[in-house]
Amino acid sequence: GQQVQQSPASLVLQEGENAELQCNFSSTATRLQWFYQHPGGRLVSLFYNPSGTKHTGRLTSTTVTNERRSSLHISSSQTTDSGTYFCAIVGTGSNRLTFGKGTKFSLIP
Amino acid sequence: EAAVTQSPRSKVAVTGGKVTLSCHQTNNHDYMYWYRQDTGHGLRLIHYSYVADSTEKGDIPDGYKASRPSQENFSLILELASLSQTAVYFCASSVDRSNSDYTFGSGTRLLVI
Repeated sequence: GQQVQQSPASLVLQEGENAELQCNFSSTATRLQWFYQHPGGRLVSLFYNPSGTKHTGRLTSTTVTNERRSSLHISSSQTTDSGTYFCAIVGTGSNRLTFGKGTKFSLIP
Repeated sequence: EAAVTQSPRSKVAVTGGKVTLSCHQTNNHDYMYWYRQDTGHGLRLIHYSYVADSTEKGDIPDGYKASRPSQENFSLILELASLSQTAVYFCASSVDRSNSDYTFGSGTRLLVI
Protein backbone atom coordinates (compact mmCIF):
# COMPACT_ATOMS: atom_id res chain seq x y z
CA GLY A 1 0.00 0.00 0.00
CA GLN A 2 0.93 3.59 -0.21
CA GLN A 3 3.35 4.92 2.39
CA VAL A 4 3.99 8.40 3.66
CA GLN A 5 7.20 9.26 5.49
CA GLN A 6 7.69 12.50 7.33
CA SER A 7 10.87 14.01 8.65
CA PRO A 8 12.02 14.99 11.11
CA ALA A 9 9.88 13.14 13.65
CA SER A 10 10.34 16.05 16.04
CA LEU A 11 11.72 19.54 15.70
CA VAL A 12 12.61 22.05 18.40
CA LEU A 13 13.44 25.62 17.42
CA GLN A 14 13.65 29.00 19.00
CA GLU A 15 10.89 31.47 18.37
CA GLY A 16 11.57 33.47 15.23
CA GLU A 17 13.47 30.72 13.41
CA ASN A 18 12.28 29.14 10.18
CA ALA A 19 11.16 25.51 10.04
CA GLU A 20 11.22 23.04 7.16
CA LEU A 21 9.13 19.86 7.33
CA GLN A 22 9.47 17.12 4.76
CA CYS A 23 7.07 14.55 3.36
CA ASN A 24 8.00 11.71 1.01
CA PHE A 25 5.54 9.22 -0.40
CA SER A 26 5.79 5.87 -2.10
CA SER A 27 3.23 6.16 -4.86
CA THR A 28 2.06 8.86 -7.22
CA ALA A 29 -0.25 11.11 -5.30
CA THR A 30 -3.38 12.47 -6.89
CA ARG A 31 -4.06 14.54 -3.80
CA LEU A 32 -1.77 15.81 -1.07
CA GLN A 33 -2.77 17.67 2.06
CA TRP A 34 -1.02 19.10 5.08
CA PHE A 35 -2.83 19.05 8.40
CA TYR A 36 -2.06 20.67 11.73
CA GLN A 37 -2.99 19.09 15.04
CA HIS A 38 -3.29 21.44 18.00
CA PRO A 39 -1.63 20.31 21.22
CA GLY A 40 -5.15 19.70 22.54
CA GLY A 41 -5.90 17.32 19.67
CA ARG A 42 -7.99 19.24 17.15
CA LEU A 43 -7.02 18.70 13.50
CA VAL A 44 -7.30 21.36 10.83
CA SER A 45 -6.48 21.29 7.16
CA LEU A 46 -3.66 23.66 6.20
CA PHE A 47 -3.07 23.04 2.51
CA TYR A 48 -4.55 21.04 -0.27
CA ASN A 49 -1.52 20.98 -2.56
CA PRO A 50 -1.10 18.12 -5.04
CA SER A 51 1.52 20.07 -6.99
CA GLY A 52 3.34 23.38 -7.07
CA THR A 53 3.66 25.99 -4.36
CA LYS A 54 0.98 27.52 -2.17
CA HIS A 55 1.21 30.19 0.50
CA THR A 56 -0.95 31.18 3.40
CA GLY A 57 0.37 33.64 5.93
CA ARG A 58 3.75 32.42 7.18
CA LEU A 59 3.24 28.95 5.73
CA THR A 60 4.43 27.74 2.33
CA SER A 61 3.80 24.31 0.88
CA THR A 62 5.78 23.03 -2.10
CA THR A 63 4.95 19.71 -3.75
CA VAL A 64 7.07 18.13 -6.50
CA THR A 65 4.78 15.37 -7.67
CA ASN A 66 7.16 13.50 -9.99
CA GLU A 67 9.75 13.38 -7.18
CA ARG A 68 7.10 12.21 -4.70
CA ARG A 69 7.86 14.80 -2.09
CA SER A 70 6.35 17.80 -0.42
CA SER A 71 7.63 20.32 2.09
CA LEU A 72 6.05 22.70 4.55
CA HIS A 73 7.97 25.84 5.40
CA ILE A 74 7.10 27.91 8.45
CA SER A 75 8.75 31.31 8.52
CA SER A 76 9.42 33.32 11.66
CA SER A 77 7.91 30.60 13.81
CA GLN A 78 5.79 31.56 16.81
CA THR A 79 4.78 29.66 19.92
CA THR A 80 1.30 29.30 18.47
CA ASP A 81 2.83 27.15 15.71
CA SER A 82 3.61 24.42 18.22
CA GLY A 83 1.84 21.16 17.56
CA THR A 84 2.02 18.23 15.18
CA TYR A 85 2.01 18.55 11.40
CA PHE A 86 0.75 15.71 9.23
CA CYS A 87 1.15 15.05 5.55
CA ALA A 88 -1.48 12.87 3.88
CA ILE A 89 -1.90 11.62 0.33
CA VAL A 90 -4.47 9.97 -1.87
CA GLY A 91 -2.58 7.60 -4.14
CA THR A 92 -3.45 6.78 -7.73
CA GLY A 93 -6.38 4.36 -7.84
CA SER A 94 -7.31 5.08 -4.23
CA ASN A 95 -10.03 7.21 -2.73
CA ARG A 96 -8.76 7.53 0.82
CA LEU A 97 -6.16 9.60 2.60
CA THR A 98 -3.05 7.88 3.97
CA PHE A 99 -1.34 9.83 6.74
CA GLY A 100 2.29 10.06 7.72
CA LYS A 101 3.27 9.76 11.39
CA GLY A 102 3.69 13.50 11.71
CA THR A 103 6.33 15.99 12.79
CA LYS A 104 6.01 17.24 16.34
CA PHE A 105 7.05 20.89 16.37
CA SER A 106 7.98 22.69 19.58
CA LEU A 107 9.21 26.20 20.16
CA ILE A 108 11.46 27.65 22.81
CA PRO A 109 10.35 31.18 23.71
CA GLU B 1 -20.61 27.46 10.66
CA ALA B 2 -20.27 24.01 9.16
CA ALA B 3 -18.98 21.50 11.67
CA VAL B 4 -18.34 17.91 12.62
CA THR B 5 -19.42 17.05 16.16
CA GLN B 6 -18.37 13.90 17.96
CA SER B 7 -19.81 12.36 21.09
CA PRO B 8 -18.82 11.45 23.67
CA ARG B 9 -15.63 13.49 24.08
CA SER B 10 -14.17 10.71 26.18
CA LYS B 11 -15.23 7.30 27.39
CA VAL B 12 -14.02 4.51 29.62
CA ALA B 13 -15.24 1.08 28.54
CA VAL B 14 -14.87 -2.40 29.96
CA THR B 15 -13.22 -5.15 27.94
CA GLY B 16 -15.87 -7.14 26.11
CA GLY B 17 -18.46 -4.39 26.33
CA LYS B 18 -20.14 -2.60 23.44
CA VAL B 19 -19.12 0.94 22.57
CA THR B 20 -20.79 3.32 20.14
CA LEU B 21 -19.10 6.52 19.01
CA SER B 22 -21.27 9.07 17.25
CA CYS B 23 -20.54 11.71 14.66
CA HIS B 24 -22.81 14.41 13.29
CA GLN B 25 -21.95 16.84 10.47
CA THR B 26 -23.67 19.98 9.28
CA ASN B 27 -21.42 20.41 6.22
CA ASN B 28 -23.82 18.74 3.79
CA HIS B 29 -20.90 16.49 2.81
CA ASP B 30 -21.41 13.14 1.17
CA TYR B 31 -18.25 11.49 2.51
CA MET B 32 -17.66 10.66 6.17
CA TYR B 33 -14.75 8.82 7.76
CA TRP B 34 -13.64 7.27 11.01
CA TYR B 35 -9.94 7.31 11.89
CA ARG B 36 -8.04 6.18 14.94
CA GLN B 37 -4.89 7.78 16.27
CA ASP B 38 -2.49 6.04 18.59
CA THR B 39 0.08 7.93 20.59
CA GLY B 40 2.95 9.04 18.40
CA HIS B 41 1.30 7.91 15.21
CA GLY B 42 -0.66 9.34 12.36
CA LEU B 43 -4.27 8.58 11.60
CA ARG B 44 -5.42 5.26 10.20
CA LEU B 45 -8.70 4.82 8.37
CA ILE B 46 -11.20 2.38 9.92
CA HIS B 47 -14.40 2.83 7.90
CA TYR B 48 -15.86 5.41 5.57
CA SER B 49 -19.11 6.11 3.78
CA TYR B 50 -20.08 8.09 0.71
CA VAL B 51 -23.85 7.72 0.93
CA ALA B 52 -26.46 7.05 3.59
CA ASP B 53 -27.15 3.38 4.39
CA SER B 54 -23.80 2.30 2.96
CA THR B 55 -20.37 1.89 4.54
CA GLU B 56 -16.98 0.79 3.26
CA LYS B 57 -14.00 -0.81 4.96
CA GLY B 58 -10.89 1.27 5.42
CA ASP B 59 -7.38 0.08 6.18
CA ILE B 60 -7.98 -1.33 9.67
CA PRO B 61 -11.66 -2.41 9.89
CA ASP B 62 -11.25 -5.53 12.04
CA GLY B 63 -13.11 -5.27 15.34
CA TYR B 64 -15.19 -2.29 14.18
CA LYS B 65 -18.54 -1.79 12.50
CA ALA B 66 -19.94 1.42 11.08
CA SER B 67 -23.43 2.74 10.48
CA ARG B 68 -24.59 5.65 8.29
CA PRO B 69 -28.33 6.05 8.88
CA SER B 70 -28.45 9.51 7.28
CA GLN B 71 -26.18 11.91 5.44
CA GLU B 72 -25.52 13.78 8.68
CA ASN B 73 -24.79 10.88 11.03
CA PHE B 74 -22.06 8.27 11.06
CA SER B 75 -21.44 5.90 13.98
CA LEU B 76 -18.54 3.63 14.87
CA ILE B 77 -19.43 0.50 16.83
CA LEU B 78 -17.13 -1.70 18.85
CA GLU B 79 -19.19 -4.82 19.55
CA LEU B 80 -16.61 -6.38 21.88
CA ALA B 81 -14.19 -3.73 23.05
CA SER B 82 -10.60 -4.83 23.58
CA LEU B 83 -7.60 -3.26 25.27
CA SER B 84 -5.95 -2.72 21.89
CA GLN B 85 -8.76 -0.40 20.88
CA THR B 86 -7.70 2.23 23.38
CA ALA B 87 -7.01 5.24 21.18
CA VAL B 88 -8.32 8.61 20.07
CA TYR B 89 -10.97 8.37 17.37
CA PHE B 90 -11.60 11.09 14.84
CA CYS B 91 -14.55 11.53 12.56
CA ALA B 92 -14.22 13.61 9.40
CA SER B 93 -16.28 14.66 6.43
CA SER B 94 -15.44 15.77 2.91
CA VAL B 95 -17.47 17.13 0.04
CA ASP B 96 -16.40 14.40 -2.39
CA ARG B 97 -13.78 11.73 -2.98
CA SER B 98 -11.14 14.30 -3.85
CA ASN B 99 -10.97 15.02 -0.12
CA SER B 100 -10.06 18.61 -0.85
CA ASP B 101 -12.51 20.01 1.68
CA TYR B 102 -11.81 17.92 4.76
CA THR B 103 -13.23 18.76 8.20
CA PHE B 104 -12.42 16.87 11.38
CA GLY B 105 -14.30 16.50 14.62
CA SER B 106 -12.58 17.16 17.96
CA GLY B 107 -11.96 13.50 18.65
CA THR B 108 -13.14 10.93 21.20
CA ARG B 109 -10.65 9.55 23.70
CA LEU B 110 -11.50 5.91 24.38
CA LEU B 111 -9.91 3.98 27.21
CA VAL B 112 -10.69 0.27 27.39
CA ILE B 113 -9.91 -1.34 30.75
